[in-house]
Amino acid sequence: AQRVTQPEKLLSVFKGAPVELKCNYSYSGSPELFWYVQYSRQRLQLLLRHISRESIKGFTADLNKGETSFHLKKPFAQEEDSAMYYCALSGQGAQKLVFGQGTRLTINP
Amino acid sequence: GAVVSQHPSRVICKSGTSVKIECRSLDFQATTMFWYRQFPKQSLMLMATSNEGSKATYEQGVEKDKFLINHASLTLSTLTVTSAHPEDSSFYICSARLAGGTGRNEQFFGPGTRLTVL
Repeated sequence: AQRVTQPEKLLSVFKGAPVELKCNYSYSGSPELFWYVQYSRQRLQLLLRHISRESIKGFTADLNKGETSFHLKKPFAQEEDSAMYYCALSGQGAQKLVFGQGTRLTINP
Repeated sequence: GAVVSQHPSRVICKSGTSVKIECRSLDFQATTMFWYRQFPKQSLMLMATSNEGSKATYEQGVEKDKFLINHASLTLSTLTVTSAHPEDSSFYICSARLAGGTGRNEQFFGPGTRLTVL
């Protein structure tokens, strides 16, 4: 079974501090991992995916198959990063996404 | 590019009536669309996968006769909540899959539809 776990429902850090949103997954094959973000009153949008190995808005995420994790990191948080973040998994050859419960990130000034 | 719209954005209906929600991909063709349900302060729960020209694939526990899905064209999928009851009140979100290339499996999401059943 595919499962995505985001252990923190809420995360609050100060502006300029590093931030890490945790994501662990359970899947027996080779997954495709994503981070989606939902800003206040906006639709869900893709932030980044592991196959791209890119940095978006200063965020990076590395797939660690040994630890089955895909944590989202940013070295210096900004107030505009406050949002709801969802980790999602797509199984090998599958179309659908399985979402984690989400983490609400609040950046304090 | 890759914009998905939903209509209506908000609907209030009486118990027992049916409500139709439209999901459109505005600037791309989507052979696959997805319907999610989101309860307050909870994550998205996939209800069904909608493939153009074929029957939708429903997730376990989702009533097919309750939530009718039609995907008649490459840019439109509809979700009809039949004989709606207050427990069907929720936020319904659709997405459309942009397929292409190895490992590219990105979904673009609509803004959601808030359904309130009185």
